[in-house]
Amino acid sequence: EPEVTQTPSHQVTQMGQEVILRCVPISNHLYFYWYRQILGQKVEFLVSFYNNEISEKSEIFDDQFSVERPDGSNFTLKIRSTKLEDSAMYFCASSRNRDNSPLHFGNGTRLTVT
Amino acid sequence: AQSVTQLDSQVPVFEEAPVELRCNYSSSVSVYLFWYVQYPNQGLQLLLKYLSGSTLVKGINGFEAEFNKSQTSFHLRKPSVHISDTAEYFCAVSDPINDYKLSFGAGTTVTVRA
Repeated sequence: EPEVTQTPSHQVTQMGQEVILRCVPISNHLYFYWYRQILGQKVEFLVSFYNNEISEKSEIFDDQFSVERPDGSNFTLKIRSTKLEDSAMYFCASSRNRDNSPLHFGNGTRLTVT
Repeated sequence: AQSVTQLDSQVPVFEEAPVELRCNYSSSVSVYLFWYVQYPNQGLQLLLKYLSGSTLVKGINGFEAEFNKSQTSFHLRKPSVHISDTAEYFCAVSDPINDYKLSFGAGTTVTVRA
């Protein structure tokens, strides 16, 4: 069964550094998402992306965050200047359509900001 | 806005015993409801979902859940668990307009012992 793949599985970075989290969604999916889970807290919606633009973002997704689909396969989340509180598990997801189409999640990237 | 409460953070259970994971939601509009499972070191996998119709929903791996509108609940059950069911289980809710934007509960860790 096709899967959403995320790399790396674990990323350690220093505060203030830029980090890019990478995702390869399922190939025939059209909608892409990022969620995150801070340790001990709930999984939270960050952003949805369709047709090469952001369709919705949460209040968490401030100017430090950006998403991009640089080619036909990758979907990236960039954090421009990381803060300690950005430490979390980041999940990428994709879906075939928007309505009634289940989200397929990747295994996540654990980001640790020191 | 919707929210989800998972009443149990940890559920220990013996192999072949039944298990019930409780989930209550709040919403001012109609909802879609989901249960996701996260096995160790893996991503979020959809177990089952309720969109409309029959209130008893059957999912993968022998799980089922019942939507109870009057009690605003969507409890997950399995009549006989296996060691391999050890995982974290997340209840999630969305509204039909933005069904990709999931609000997750805090998760319930199920530990199955022999």
